[in-house]
Amino acid sequence: AQKVTQAQTEISVVEKEDVTLDCVYETRDTTYYLFWYKQPPSGELVFLIRRNSFDEQNEISGRYSWNFQKSTSSFNFTITASQVVDSAVYFCALRGTGRRALTFGSGTRLQVQP
Amino acid sequence: GAGVSQTPSNKVTEKGKYVELRCDPISGHTALYWYRQSLGQGPEFLIYFQGTGAADDSGLPNDRFFAVRPEGSVSTLKIQRTERGDSAVYLCASSLTMSTDNTGELFFGEGSRLTVL
Repeated sequence: AQKVTQAQTEISVVEKEDVTLDCVYETRDTTYYLFWYKQPPSGELVFLIRRNSFDEQNEISGRYSWNFQKSTSSFNFTITASQVVDSAVYFCALRGTGRRALTFGSGTRLQVQP
Repeated sequence: GAGVSQTPSNKVTEKGKYVELRCDPISGHTALYWYRQSLGQGPEFLIYFQGTGAADDSGLPNDRFFAVRPEGSVSTLKIQRTERGDSAVYLCASSLTMSTDNTGELFFGEGSRLTVL
């Protein structure tokens, strides 16, 4: 069985603050893929990143960075200098070997106040 | 169109009625997925098509739910004898290929919000 836990239901920050969204996963697969998606108010999920289980190198893309730690089964997402446009629901997701279906967490709603 | 298109955007129906939800994927995308998202939850997988065939329908909750993709492009999700618990946003996504090297990037539509009264 696969499971993704996003313990933070909602986070509110003031613009320019840094914020970290937590993601903890469970899987019995030795090879798997982790994802982050953003869901703005329009409802359309937008792909942010994919990480393979055999690649633990952290990644930075502009104001976004991801910290993958296999030892703690975590794949956290940090937004630096948050902006109002970052306000959305963010989902962490997992895909195991040989499956196409993604298992999503319940999401974290981020509100960035001006 | 440029993105995944879903119709209708909103559907209100009465318990026991039959509904159809349509998904028009990005042109050339061979893989198509249906997910269901209840309020405050993450999307839950329903079914995946590769071309015309359903490669994985393990997420369909029961036999009231059925989906087709007869020509390998547009897909229709069909729900018979709707129940109040079927109320949710039904999301469609498409991707280019099912190879193991695929980035796994799914392109989602904006969803069809179904309300069963």
